[in-house]
Amino acid sequence: AQSVTQPDIHITVSEGASLELRCNYSYGATPYLFWYVQSPGQGLQLLLKYFSGDTLVQGIKGFEAEFKRSQSSFNLRKPSVHWSDAAEYFCAVGAKGGSEKLVFGKGTKLTVNP
Amino acid sequence: EAGVVQSPRYKIIEKKQPVAFWCNPISGHNTLYWYLQNLGQGPELLIRYENEEAVDDSQLPKDRFSAERLKGVDSTLKIQPAELGDSAVYLCASSLGGGDRGYNEQFFGPGTRLTVL
Repeated sequence: AQSVTQPDIHITVSEGASLELRCNYSYGATPYLFWYVQSPGQGLQLLLKYFSGDTLVQGIKGFEAEFKRSQSSFNLRKPSVHWSDAAEYFCAVGAKGGSEKLVFGKGTKLTVNP
Repeated sequence: EAGVVQSPRYKIIEKKQPVAFWCNPISGHNTLYWYLQNLGQGPELLIRYENEEAVDDSQLPKDRFSAERLKGVDSTLKIQPAELGDSAVYLCASSLGGGDRGYNEQFFGPGTRLTVL
């Protein structure tokens, strides 16, 4: 069964600084990987996904993530954080063969200081 | 196009009372999911429907939880009786289903926040 670890529960950055959120996964084969963002009182919004091919994927809102098979990681990055990026971020892994089951990490809460 | 609609957005009940949540998926989405999100945790799948058939309900606590998706569109998740530990956010998501099984993005509703007193 697949699993996801997000080592950082809470991260604080200053507006304009760069950001990296860590995600490690466990799965027997190459998985589907996702990053979602959740603002307070809102549902989850998909930021980006990796299925295969280029290991650096671009998403919405200026985010990108890099799949590293050797490290079982799929870290999310943004070169310059905006105050509106403050939210909770979830990494998720899905098994090949469809989106039937997504397993989410516990999330990383991002605070952005002015 | 409207997204996934859930109601109510908030619900406060006393323990041992019943409660129901409603979800209307995106039009044309055959697959519907109910997730449980505890405070400080990521969502966990409770049940997945393909049209009106529950194809994965292994994580649904069937002694008190039930769900239905009549006519393969709207869905209702019920808890009876509710316990203190059921306080959480209940998320509904939907995706295109059938046909090509490569991947279908899940679109999430805003959730129902349940507080059991």
